[in-house]
Amino acid sequence: DTAVSQTPKYLVTQMGNDKSIKCEQNLGHDTMYWYKQDSKKFLKIMFSYNNKELIINETVPNRFSPKSPDKAHLNLHINSLELGDSAVYFCASTSGISYTGELFFGEGSRLTVL
Amino acid sequence: QQPVQSPQAVILREGEDAVINCSSSKALYSVHWYRQKHGEAPVFLMILLKGGEQKGHEKISASFNEKKQQSSLYLTASQLSYSGTYFCGTEGAGYSSASKIIFGSGTRLSIRP
Repeated sequence: DTAVSQTPKYLVTQMGNDKSIKCEQNLGHDTMYWYKQDSKKFLKIMFSYNNKELIINETVPNRFSPKSPDKAHLNLHINSLELGDSAVYFCASTSGISYTGELFFGEGSRLTVL
Repeated sequence: QQPVQSPQAVILREGEDAVINCSSSKALYSVHWYRQKHGEAPVFLMILLKGGEQKGHEKISASFNEKKQQSSLYLTASQLSYSGTYFCGTEGAGYSSASKIIFGSGTRLSIRP
């Protein structure tokens, strides 16, 4: 059983479209994150949720809207996709909130915007 | 606020040693180290929580100098399996209701037979 799973693994879409990425963790963790890794491999934090509540929003454009229906799931919806959104999006989870323990990453979702 | 990693890239022959450095301009609560192989997710190596703490993981160890806000990752007698990009991640000191790890830009390590 995969601890943190993301779907889909690959997305290829046109500029202006809307797309969603889903993440699920079966580790019983309370905190989940979205990280974006660009072509230069820079891993940048986007959002964090703790037990369904948004706790970190790193000045990400409004076109990105995370949603956490329950503490095991964190989804990312992106509206009006732009070329610069092309990246690998990683979901991660950890058991801590005020202190970050080991991050468990999903396999990543590679988004290509044409 | 992003920690600075050096060097950006290292090429080693199998069996050689390497040191990767990570420094921050802010006071740190912890330093994390991860390794990412091409096309895969980052994988946790270790967390260092206290100033002066050292940890080991097989032939990979790390130190944390809290005063200098620096950490170093030591790879000894490198193996082919050590190839990948190494990231340090730092967590700021001081109470926060929402802690987060900020990653450095990574150090690409290539091991040649």
